[in-house]
Amino acid sequence: DAKTTQPTSMDCAEGRAANLPCNHSTISGNEYVYWYRQIHSQGPQYIIHGLKNNETNEMASLIITEDRKSSTLILPHATLRDTAVYYCIVRVLNTNAGKSTFGDGTTLTVKP
Amino acid sequence: NAGVTQTPKFRVLKTGQSMTLLCAQDMNHEYMYWYRQDPGMGLRLIHYSVGEGTTAKGEVPDGYNVSRLKKQNFLLGLESAAPSQTSVYFCASSPARTGSSYNSPLHFGNGTRLTVT
Repeated sequence: DAKTTQPTSMDCAEGRAANLPCNHSTISGNEYVYWYRQIHSQGPQYIIHGLKNNETNEMASLIITEDRKSSTLILPHATLRDTAVYYCIVRVLNTNAGKSTFGDGTTLTVKP
Repeated sequence: NAGVTQTPKFRVLKTGQSMTLLCAQDMNHEYMYWYRQDPGMGLRLIHYSVGEGTTAKGEVPDGYNVSRLKKQNFLLGLESAAPSQTSVYFCASSPARTGSSYNSPLHFGNGTRLTVT
């Protein structure tokens, strides 16, 4: 699986959009981009994933650049409960096992 | 529907002791995984299983053994605990890569916090 690079930490004001970047410049054509978050002491929680098109669900939006070398997770109206560590991973889906490498992620702090 | 359940939630061991961590899932998932997370770091894959009776090594398998005797359970064993194994252990599961489950995400438990003194 390709390696990802994320900023160590970010702050966001409550109610504003949080934009979390991820670099995956070595991504292959068959690798999807997944985002998870981990709220303090809990297990990681799935947020969203995509291949090359932008995606949106009830939690967030995922913007993937045309060359697929980077992506941005957008939380449109951040709340205090969105304070967490956010992990961007890439995952090959044509293998038998869902092995995924989780890096250190971005610690997002939403401030009142 | 409980999802992924890990037991115990907390455990303190002395060096050299053994223990087994249990992961149970009620989603009929084929794949199951064990990760460890050290303070301030991401998750590292220890072992995984793609089906009942099969296991494979992940990124950091040394010092651990696993078994998948039943589809819903994945056991992680420490035969002789060491302080370096102090960590939070997470179990995850996912469906097999077929049909509508092809790109299903991982489902995680809430972890077992293990301290080895």
